Amino acid sequence: AQTVTQSQPEMSVQEAETVTLSCTYDTSESNYYLFWYKQPPSRQMILVIRQEAYKQQNATENRFSVNFQKAAKSFSLKISDSQLGDTAMYFCAFGETSGSRLTFGEGTQLTVNP
Amino acid sequence: AAGVIQSPRHLIKEKRETATLKCYPIPRHDTVYWYQQGPGQDPQFLISFYEKMQSDKGSIPDRFSAQQFSDYHSELNMSSLELGDSALYFCASSWEGTVRQWTQYFGPGTRLLVL
Repeated sequence: AQTVTQSQPEMSVQEAETVTLSCTYDTSESNYYLFWYKQPPSRQMILVIRQEAYKQQNATENRFSVNFQKAAKSFSLKISDSQLGDTAMYFCAFGETSGSRLTFGEGTQLTVNP
Repeated sequence: AAGVIQSPRHLIKEKRETATLKCYPIPRHDTVYWYQQGPGQDPQFLISFYEKMQSDKGSIPDRFSAQQFSDYHSELNMSSLELGDSALYFCASSWEGTVRQWTQYFGPGTRLLVL
């Protein structure tokens, strides 16, 4: 079974600064997907960014980018120019290619301070 | 863009009652997933359906059942409700098309409170 670990339960950053959230996972699969989801106080689960394991290029979505290290089984999220609206719980998630379940990490609560 | 629709958004039930949660996936999405998120926890996978057939099963209690209908909407039926069933229930959908294949998009969730 796959496992996902987020070792930072809480993090804080000043507005306009950059912050990196860590995620490691364990799997015997060679092809899979990795995701970061954001859950603000409304508790809606919002997709932030997606990475396909067979792609070496790191995914980027505007201010959000990932550092995907397949050999190290590491998938960190970098948020640049942090905004107050980025305050949320961030979940790292692992998904197999067959469209089966997502396995989530425990989450990192990010607070952006003015 | 159309999103996943869940109803009801909030539900209050007594112990031992039954509840039915509904999910309408994004148009053209062929796979539906159900997750349960307790307070302060990460979402836990319950069950999924692909083309109206059960495709995967997680830690879903025997008191719960689910199905996907011909129009691809899904229902999660929960019987003999217990206090511990109080949680946020998410539905998500995905498709095997070439654009963002197998990316799960979540609905707003149904908040179930069992008294």
